[in-house]
Amino acid sequence: GDSVTQMEGPVTLSEEAFLTINCTYTATGYPSLFWYVQYPGEGLQLLLKATKADDKGSNKGFEATYRKETTSFHLEKGSVQVSDSAVYFCALSGGGGNKLTFGTGTQLKVEL
Amino acid sequence: GAVVSQHPSRVICKSGTSVKIECRSLDFQATTMFWYRQFPKQSLMLMATSNEGSKATYEQGVEKDKFLINHASLTLSTLTVTSAHPEDSSFYICSAIESAGSYNEQFFGPGTRLTVL
Repeated sequence: GDSVTQMEGPVTLSEEAFLTINCTYTATGYPSLFWYVQYPGEGLQLLLKATKADDKGSNKGFEATYRKETTSFHLEKGSVQVSDSAVYFCALSGGGGNKLTFGTGTQLKVEL
Repeated sequence: GAVVSQHPSRVICKSGTSVKIECRSLDFQATTMFWYRQFPKQSLMLMATSNEGSKATYEQGVEKDKFLINHASLTLSTLTVTSAHPEDSSFYICSAIESAGSYNEQFFGPGTRLTVL
């Protein structure tokens, strides 16, 4: 079945540092890929998505590129802020029915 | 943007009692809602897919008689945990989409923390 593997956290960075959160996936066919963010006390929000190979999703300074050859969708940001502290989930949607398969989530802590 | 609410946000109950959690789409009609369970430091696990006016579709390993799902209107789905036990303690999250088929964004509720004593 489909699965998503992402790096374990917590990841602790200083403000303005470069961020990479690794995500790899296993799926049949051609899934759509997503990054969701969960701020403390809130629900998950869609951060960015990519629907086909080589697509780059971007939002709020975050980027991720759909790499079919390496089955990866790593999340990057050039300069993180304290307000980026949250839990980040990589997910995929394969086949029909809008079902999402999530990774375990990576907690990011950004310090001054 | 689309907003999904859940009520209650936290609930503590005694073992053997039933608990109902509501999921509402506040500014759109949700033909499909999803219920997830999230364990500490673990992923969201899909429990069931709920379509308005029809029976929910449960994922493998989820007891449908224990986790009763009702999607009676286009803005409300409920999850009832029947005869709750301590192992049912978890964080339950719902999501909603406006229409099924080709991928539509899921909008997530803030979650409900259930603690069974």
